[in-house]
Amino acid sequence: EPEVTQTPSHQVTQMGQEVILRCVPISNHLYFYWYRQILGQKVEFLVSFYNNEISEKSEIFDDQFSVERPDGSNFTLKIRSTKLEDSAMYFCASRPLAGDQETQYFGPGTRLLVL
Amino acid sequence: KQEVTQIPAALSVPEGENLVLNCSFTDSAIYNLQWFRQDPGKGLTSLLLIQSSQREQTSGRLNASLDKSSGRSTLYIAASQPGDSATYLCAVMRDFGNEKLTFGTGTRLTIIP
Repeated sequence: EPEVTQTPSHQVTQMGQEVILRCVPISNHLYFYWYRQILGQKVEFLVSFYNNEISEKSEIFDDQFSVERPDGSNFTLKIRSTKLEDSAMYFCASRPLAGDQETQYFGPGTRLLVL
Repeated sequence: KQEVTQIPAALSVPEGENLVLNCSFTDSAIYNLQWFRQDPGKGLTSLLLIQSSQREQTSGRLNASLDKSSGRSTLYIAASQPGDSATYLCAVMRDFGNEKLTFGTGTRLTIIP
């Protein structure tokens, strides 16, 4: 069964450094998302992406964040200058062409630790 | 702003028992509601999706109900098994064109063999 994959599974970085989290969505999916979950807290929406542009973003997704689909298969989240509070599990998700019963399929996550 | 709450935060039951997990949301203007399962250190697996026009959905031993007007959903698990141990999350989508999911805090379920 096709799955969303994410790399790396864990990343440790120093505050102020740039990180790029990578995702490979399911191949025929057209909608892509990033969510994050700070330890012990809710899963929070960051951004949705369709047709090579951001369709919606949350208040969390400020100028330090960017997303890209560089080559038609990968979907990346870049954090330009990491802060301590960016430490969280980051989930990528994808969905096929819109349909009433279509859910978002989530990857296993990247655990980011900012020191 | 939509708020999603799940009660209880944690639940332990002996194997074989039936159980109910609760989810409430403050804004009844939703497009659909989903129940997910999250295993430790893993991603989210969709269990059931209920459209706003539906009352319930069933998959195997799982049954989810939706009362949109009162802002409530329940997930019923029949004949619980140790493999059901996980955190269960509910999430609502506001509009068809508004893709983001708003998640609850989750219920951590432990099935005691």
